[in-house]
Amino acid sequence: GDSVTQMEGPVTLSEEAFLTINCTYTATGYPSLFWYVQYPGEGLQLLLKATKADDKGSNKGFEATYRKETTSFHLEKGSVQVSDSAVYFCALGSQGNLIFGKGTKLSVKP
Amino acid sequence: DTGVSQNPRHKITKRGQNVTFRCDPISEHNRLYWYRQTLGQGPEFLTYFQNEAQLEKSRLLSDRFSAERPKGSFSTLEIQRTEQGDSAMYLCASSTHSGATNEKLFFGSGTQLSVL
Repeated sequence: GDSVTQMEGPVTLSEEAFLTINCTYTATGYPSLFWYVQYPGEGLQLLLKATKADDKGSNKGFEATYRKETTSFHLEKGSVQVSDSAVYFCALGSQGNLIFGKGTKLSVKP
Repeated sequence: DTGVSQNPRHKITKRGQNVTFRCDPISEHNRLYWYRQTLGQGPEFLTYFQNEAQLEKSRLLSDRFSAERPKGSFSTLEIQRTEQGDSAMYLCASSTHSGATNEKLFFGSGTQLSVL
């Protein structure tokens, strides 16, 4: 069945460092791909999405490109801030029936 | 837009008891989803409704789990004869379905269930 694998955390970075969180997927068909973020004490929020191959999703300085050839949707940000500390989830699916990865906890130190 | 509201935030129960959680979606949203999240894992889809119709329930974890959305507004998730393995965060999400495959889900903060 469909699945999502994302790099295990926790990831600890200094402020202004470059961030990459790897996500690969297995899917039949052509699902949409998502990154959701969960800030401490808050519910999951959609960070960005891509609906077809070669689409790039972006938001708040984060971006991810839907790579069909490598079945990947890696999350990147050029310069992280302390406020980016959160748990990041990669997900695939459609119609709201999403399959999530296990999550990667990011801690950014000042 | 007051967001998705879930009650209670925390529930502690003894094994064998029944529990019921409530979810109030964003008012104009016609789709409502239930997910379960255990420690160190991502959310796991359980079931969803479009208005009052439950369109998918095969992912409910056992016949002890049931969900309703009687008037197409709020929803309840009931777990009968709770087991310690039911301890988890139960998440509700809602969305506006427009036929698109990339609809955005809005999640509540969840109900944390602890079964003793």
